[in-house]
Amino acid sequence: KNQVEQSPQSLIILEGKNCTLQCNYTVSPFSNLRWYKQDTGRGPVSLTIMTFSENTKSNGRYTATLDADTKQSSLHITASQLSDSASYICVVSYSGGGADGLTFGKGTHLIIQP
Amino acid sequence: SQTIHQWPATLVQPVGSPLSLECTVEGTSNPNLYWYRQAAGRGLQLLFYSVGIGQISSEVPQNLSASRPQDRQFILSSKKLLLSDSGFYLCAWSPGLAGGNEQFFGPGTRLTVL
Repeated sequence: KNQVEQSPQSLIILEGKNCTLQCNYTVSPFSNLRWYKQDTGRGPVSLTIMTFSENTKSNGRYTATLDADTKQSSLHITASQLSDSASYICVVSYSGGGADGLTFGKGTHLIIQP
Repeated sequence: SQTIHQWPATLVQPVGSPLSLECTVEGTSNPNLYWYRQAAGRGLQLLFYSVGIGQISSEVPQNLSASRPQDRQFILSSKKLLLSDSGFYLCAWSPGLAGGNEQFFGPGTRLTVL
């Protein structure tokens, strides 16, 4: 069964600090992995999308890594800002999957404190 | 550029009442359209998707239905709401099937059934 597990479930850090969010998946065959940021009460917004051959991808202060061998991904946030407070969702798609070919994690709820 | 709209933003309805949520996309043609529900503490659940006018695929048996009367319009409906229908409803679009293409989410509708 295709699954995406995210950890931690929630995280509180001080403004300016770095943090790393984890995503483990069992989706097979793998197509791509995406990280979304979802502000409270809003729709998710894409941060990165990574295919099998990509190990690292950055988007400003956000850096995603992918290890397709161990089926793990991480999202590293550098120099956190108050606006980074949100839920971060890992989404994995499987090769050959159509409209229903996505498996969503439950997200990590990140709170940045001043 | 493409934009996706949802309305209403919030809705409070009594049990047994009908429901109609609307989603429209601008700036693109022939999009694939999706309805998701996001319950508290759970990942996004795909409810329906559509690859064209009048074409609806349902992912889970439920009290809801969807329709696509126009190319860029997607409607989520119910004849009689249940308490369990409460949640955050997200509409999304993608240029191709979601497995291999990025999805873009709308702002969401918060539905509370009392």
